[in-house]
Amino acid sequence: DTAVSQTPKYLVTQMGNDKSIKCEQNLGHDTMYWYKQDSKKFLKIMFSYNNKELIINETVPNRFSPKSPDKAHLNLHINSLELGDSAVYFCASSPNRETGIETQYFGPGTRLLVL
Amino acid sequence: AQKITQTQPGMFVQEKEAVTLDCTYDTSDQSYGLFWYKQPSSGEMIFLIYQGSYDEQNATEGRYSLNFQKARKSANLVISASQLGDSAMYFCAMRDPGSYNTDKLIFGTGTRLQVFP
Repeated sequence: DTAVSQTPKYLVTQMGNDKSIKCEQNLGHDTMYWYKQDSKKFLKIMFSYNNKELIINETVPNRFSPKSPDKAHLNLHINSLELGDSAVYFCASSPNRETGIETQYFGPGTRLLVL
Repeated sequence: AQKITQTQPGMFVQEKEAVTLDCTYDTSDQSYGLFWYKQPSSGEMIFLIYQGSYDEQNATEGRYSLNFQKARKSANLVISASQLGDSAMYFCAMRDPGSYNTDKLIFGTGTRLQVFP
């Protein structure tokens, strides 16, 4: 009965590789997000999608490409990985604003280490 | 631009005591939402409590309450009867109203709470 799930939980890879992180939510939410948490624990929005449509792209390098095949899934593909991409990546989801519910629910995070 | 400030990098509290974690915010919007999340050492982000800017009463969820002082732009988290399992990072966040039907959260830098026996 996991609400927001991410795979993989850990990802260790070499510089220059391409990798993907998958996210799925079974809450029936319309909006999904990717956040990045750096080594100092600071969390920052990267992208958001509403019903498969990209809404927020927060000046993230174009090596990062989100894809939403349907409103329950939001994947993150990263090309040509760099050392600075090492971080924890969180997926989150929230209901449509019209519901009046604003809370975002987070997945367990994917810990990416680039060597 | 919206901003969240958490001035306490670390706090200690004895088990069964209450503790207040500070959060101040800056926004020019009239309508906004404030959140607290807990991040234990296992890493997940757990939603604790929400306060809307138009809510007249302070939010409460079990042992968590939010001391909302709109004029001072503060939204402090109060944890009553601390437990060892409360040891974690705590993040204050604000909804940054976006376009269409989506918002992003602006996070503070977090406060690490340690509960000791």
